[in-house]
Amino acid sequence: ETGVTQTPRHLVMGMTNKKSLKCEQHLGHNAMYWYKQSAKKPLELMFVYNFKEQTENNSVPSRFSPECPNSSHLFLHLHTLQPEDSALYLCASSRTNSGFDTQYFGPGTRLTVL
Amino acid sequence: QQQVKQSPQSLIVQKGGISIINCAYENTAFDYFPWYQQFPGKGPALLIAIRPDVSEKKEGRFTISFNKSAKQFSLHIMDSQPGDSATYFCAASLGNAGNMLTFGGGTRLMVKP
Repeated sequence: ETGVTQTPRHLVMGMTNKKSLKCEQHLGHNAMYWYKQSAKKPLELMFVYNFKEQTENNSVPSRFSPECPNSSHLFLHLHTLQPEDSALYLCASSRTNSGFDTQYFGPGTRLTVL
Repeated sequence: QQQVKQSPQSLIVQKGGISIINCAYENTAFDYFPWYQQFPGKGPALLIAIRPDVSEKKEGRFTISFNKSAKQFSLHIMDSQPGDSATYFCAASLGNAGNMLTFGGGTRLMVKP
């Protein structure tokens, strides 16, 4: 185990639903990330948080809303999603937001939007 | 545009053979190049990384070769084993501009026994 847990591991939702993905890291890290992993596309960075403050929003649609209440927890709130949002959503953390620090990934949440 | 192009998309190697995965990048300001390994049902995990001040880095059976002038780097897996069967991703980042990795498209490696 990497020390980064994600729940739920699988999620099926309709386009009108509202759901949330949760990430928790037990590594004492200060930076956390959300990535989207789609078939046939590279891993896409969505959001970056450093010491609970959002430092990067990689042009992500507003139907994805992140929340970082503390350095150990990260949420991704989902509403009015589209079928093309179906993907594996990965959370990661690193000790700092230095580009040389290793990112540790959770196992991901497999999201299916019907 | 910051891109990292990875090839091949898939690779089949016999046990004991050498697996080679190549990546090319565009942004000459990138100064950190990690490789991640991902098994089914798991998130990516750092395998090995290199900075552009060296041309090669070796850790066990895994070696990164780096060609700064060509803006290319590659992963070599020596004596490939069935347990190495996984998806491999190269990535690049600006070390002093936030930990924002740009990933290649991934290579699915299968090592046949």
